[in-house]
Amino acid sequence: KNQVEQSPQSLIILEGKNCTLQCNYTVSPFSNLRWYKQDTGRGPVSLTIMTFSENTKSNGRYTATLDADTKQSSLHITASQLSDSASYICVVSPFSGGYNKLIFGAGTRLAVHP
Amino acid sequence: GAVVSQHPSWVICKSGTSVKIECRSLDFQATTMFWYRQFPKQSLMLMATSNEGSKATYEQGVEKDKFLINHASLTLSTLTVTSAHPEDSSFYICSAQPRLSGGLRHNEQFFGPGTRLTVL
Repeated sequence: KNQVEQSPQSLIILEGKNCTLQCNYTVSPFSNLRWYKQDTGRGPVSLTIMTFSENTKSNGRYTATLDADTKQSSLHITASQLSDSASYICVVSPFSGGYNKLIFGAGTRLAVHP
Repeated sequence: GAVVSQHPSWVICKSGTSVKIECRSLDFQATTMFWYRQFPKQSLMLMATSNEGSKATYEQGVEKDKFLINHASLTLSTLTVTSAHPEDSSFYICSAQPRLSGGLRHNEQFFGPGTRLTVL
């Protein structure tokens, strides 16, 4: 069964600190892996998208890594800001040859405190 | 570019009434649109996939007669919750996948801001 599991479920850090969120998946074969940020009451916003051949991608203070051999991905947030408080969702797109039926992780709820 | 809007952003209705939610891709054409439902502190759950000009494909357990989806154009899809009940209260999110020739990544999905439905 295709699954995406994220850890930790929730995380509290102080402003300015770094943190790393984890994502393990069993989807195979897969087309791409994405990280989204979802603010409370809003839709998800794409942070990074990586194909199976990419192992790192950055977007400002967000850096995602991918190890296709171990089926693990991480999202590293540098110098956290209060506005980083949100849910971060790891999403895998199976290689379907057609439209993208995404498989969502449950998300990690990050709270950045001053 | 790649903006998806939803209208309304929130709606409160009485039990038994129908509610229509619109999803629009503002600056690109979308061959496929997706409708998701999200309950508090849970992740998005795919309800249905709609392709322009054809019938929607519903996920297992989603009643097609209750959640009517119309994808009349390449920039608009609507979700109608018929005879809404309190258990239908949720956060409904749409996403749109660009056309292959649209200049955007075809395999990308762009999400709308969501619609909060509360059924009294």
